[in-house]
Amino acid sequence: GAVVSQHPSWVICKSGTSVKIECRSLDFQATTMFWYRQFPKQSLMLMATSNEGSKATYEQGVEKDKFLINHASLTLSTLTVTSAHPEDSSFYICSARVGPRPPSFGAGTRLSVL
Amino acid sequence: ELKVEQNPLFLSMQEGKNYTIYCNYSTTSDRLYWYRQDPGKSLESLFVLLSNGAVKQEGRLMASLDTKARLSTLHITAAVHDLSATYFCAVDTPNDYKLSFGAGTTVTVRA
Repeated sequence: GAVVSQHPSWVICKSGTSVKIECRSLDFQATTMFWYRQFPKQSLMLMATSNEGSKATYEQGVEKDKFLINHASLTLSTLTVTSAHPEDSSFYICSARVGPRPPSFGAGTRLSVL
Repeated sequence: ELKVEQNPLFLSMQEGKNYTIYCNYSTTSDRLYWYRQDPGKSLESLFVLLSNGAVKQEGRLMASLDTKARLSTLHITAAVHDLSATYFCAVDTPNDYKLSFGAGTTVTVRA
């Protein structure tokens, strides 16, 4: 139980294009979903928290217009990297949880911007 | 702001020996998690510690939580090569369910 599916697992795009990453909770309804970014050999950095039907809450220093988060249902959140540039290349991980229950993590998406 | 300090950051283990990774955190929390991450992969949940004095064991790994000291330990018994990975501890921020992660401990087990 508590499975989170994240797609795609790997994406390469040209500079200036937009990329959408999906995060789905498969067997539960998530009250909250989280998006993290991880640079090589570093820890996870929380980018934003999203709750179904409301605007995402972004962490300090994260550009809202660059990283668009939509949480349209209790089982789906999407992260769109708009006008991607090479410095946006990173490993993006989502997680989902129901209230205080332990979070479940997606498999991650490796984004490479050429 | 909840801060989580993990040490050591790098740990070179000899097969068969015992080691401990420490995780300190700065504010009150009674939920702590340990994760394993292999290169290029996401997080694998190892332990969920939900109360003071909690101790959990799985194979060669044992985790404990002391909420009064704000300290958790991950103990590795008789290290084997398969345990080479990066280990993260993470602590729940009270009231908003955000996780604060430690910097991670990169473990390399050598023969």
